[in-house]
Amino acid sequence: EVVLTQSPDFQSVTPKEKVTITCRASQSIGSGLHWYQQKPDQSPKLLIKYASQSFSGVPSRFSGSGSGTDFTLTINSLEAEDAATYFCHHSSSLPWTFGQGTKVEIK
Amino acid sequence: EVHLVESGGGLVQPGGSLRLSCAASGFTVSSNHMTWVRQAPGKGLEWVSVIYSGGSTYYADSVKGRFTISRDNSKNTLYLQMNSLRAEDTAVYYCARSPAAIIDYWGQGTLVTVSP
Repeated sequence: EVVLTQSPDFQSVTPKEKVTITCRASQSIGSGLHWYQQKPDQSPKLLIKYASQSFSGVPSRFSGSGSGTDFTLTINSLEAEDAATYFCHHSSSLPWTFGQGTKVEIK
Repeated sequence: EVHLVESGGGLVQPGGSLRLSCAASGFTVSSNHMTWVRQAPGKGLEWVSVIYSGGSTYYADSVKGRFTISRDNSKNTLYLQMNSLRAEDTAVYYCARSPAAIIDYWGQGTLVTVSP
């Protein structure tokens, strides 16, 4: 089973600041890594697929990079509506797994 | 527009059973991989099961032998039959479309509570 470890667990950020969240896989997963945003009492929403491809309708301030074992989600110029928990997820092999989540709070 | 609506959650005693349903619209369930993911209260996401478009099914070790994923093509609906439920199965259960193994659209979730 591939274990995904995100860092940090929590981040408090001022609007317009840049946010960087990392996800490290316990073994190489190529580019089979995806990022989701979950706001309180809502279901997750896909932001980035295959490490760096933006999903339809996602604002351009969200971007992803990485391959193998190390991946990054970047939010450029954070907006108040970006307050949420962000999860990474791999589907390169079964069982699919998720990172533990990174909560982003707006200062 | 892709739309997924789960139903069937509720309160059940340990050892009991529930069947969750997920009605899909805007796409064909049988042409896509479909997934169940759960989230315990205040916790992270846990993949539960997937049914591939070809019909193959796979499960997390934590539910293998107790849960069964299936679909009704005529109703465009996904199911999760849950037997021998345990307290640790308490969670919001999401159904999701997962073409090419990417979970792209999620339902709103249905809460399952396992308690005496």
